[in-house]
Amino acid sequence: EVQLVESGGGLVKPGGSLRLSCAASGFTFSNVWMSWVRQAPGKGLEWVGRIKSKTDGETTDYPAPVKGRFTISRDDSKNTLYLQLNSLKPEDTAVYSCTTFRYTSGWSDYWGQGTLVTVSS
Amino acid sequence: NFMLTQPHSVSESPGKTVTISCTRSSGSIASNYVQWYQQRPGSSPTTVIYEDNQRPSGVPDRFSGSIDSSSNSASLTISGLKTEDEADYYCQSYDTSVSVFGGGTKLTVL
Repeated sequence: EVQLVESGGGLVKPGGSLRLSCAASGFTFSNVWMSWVRQAPGKGLEWVGRIKSKTDGETTDYPAPVKGRFTISRDDSKNTLYLQLNSLKPEDTAVYSCTTFRYTSGWSDYWGQGTLVTVSS
Repeated sequence: NFMLTQPHSVSESPGKTVTISCTRSSGSIASNYVQWYQQRPGSSPTTVIYEDNQRPSGVPDRFSGSIDSSSNSASLTISGLKTEDEADYYCQSYDTSVSVFGGGTKLTVL
């Protein structure tokens, strides 16, 4: 059974940093592209970025609102995905979820339950 | 980059059919696959349609997806509506280096 379990969320002040983790199990993590998606309270889904598998170069892509502030990385030896959040703003307040990511279609077929990040003074 | 535009809300009665549209702002809707996700309150999204018109196992055939190049849009059609279909629905598409979600449509079954 595929499982994705996020952790590391919490309350942080504007300008602060946080690192989120996503523990994966039930599939060969190293072969899979992964992504992060966030959802602000009462709002829609927003793609936060994607990392390719090591075989495909482990490169990352981000949308404009987070580019230069957020960094996705992975540790295949630990089956864990990371999201480093820097220079946080109140508008980054959201539930952050990791997903698997089918490179052929961009389909996020498995989702974690998410971890809440609150940016407030 | 492109945007995907969905109606904010739709409503229909049980047993009826509803269609939710997803219009792409630039570039061809047919050039990249479209997925549809269902999200019930307090739950993570689940896939109802992937790769334009494919249903994951376990999703009833009441759910179908299509692409219309003439309107540059994708559509999710739900037939034989049930109260359990009441949820938010999001379209999503991916173009090489960017993934985009539509704003979501709240489906009310009343």
